[in-house]
Amino acid sequence: DSGVTQTPKHLITATGQRVTLRCSPRSGDLSVYWYQQSLDQGLQFLIQYYNGEERAKGNILERFSAQQFPDLHSELNLSSLELGDSALYFCASSAQPTAYNEQFFGPGTRLTVL
Amino acid sequence: AQKVTQAQTEISVVEKEDVTLDCVYETRDTTYYLFWYKQPPSGELVFLIRRNSFDEQNEISGRYSWNFQKSTSSFNFTITASQVVDSAVYFCALSDPTQGGSEKLVFGKGTKLTVNP
Repeated sequence: DSGVTQTPKHLITATGQRVTLRCSPRSGDLSVYWYQQSLDQGLQFLIQYYNGEERAKGNILERFSAQQFPDLHSELNLSSLELGDSALYFCASSAQPTAYNEQFFGPGTRLTVL
Repeated sequence: AQKVTQAQTEISVVEKEDVTLDCVYETRDTTYYLFWYKQPPSGELVFLIRRNSFDEQNEISGRYSWNFQKSTSSFNFTITASQVVDSAVYFCALSDPTQGGSEKLVFGKGTKLTVNP
């Protein structure tokens, strides 16, 4: 158990819908990362927050947004969902936003868009 | 741009065999970190090791060992006397600095290891 929690574990929804994925980092970790794992793209970085502020953006679609709240939990919002958004979404946390601190990954949320 | 190549898509071995998973990376940075993660069938990503670019010493942890060679930009992972529980997808990753002053991870495509009894 990495100490990072993600809810829900599974999510099935329809095209055009909007969903919210939630992540609670390990106790004491200030940095949260979101990654998407799909069959064709592999594991890709989406976005990172540190202590409530956005620090880095990767290949995140405009239909996707995220935020980190004062209690350090983070939410990833996916809207106008398409079939291609079906993937495993991971949240990771680290103490600081540098690679010196290893990232611990949550169990992931498996999103299926029908 | 950072790039990680895991040329072996799938490997199948018989229990107790040794197996090496290859990882080749590309970076222009002089300071960087390399990682290995394990993704068992249950789906979670498990951190295995982090290595910084200034430390080329090989590392051994039980049946796991890692060989870092800067000259060939490789960071290979060997499992000795493999066990069925080692069956998983293994990812090699490289740190990638961002404009925000932090670092994200760039992952290889992964190598699926199947250890048969």
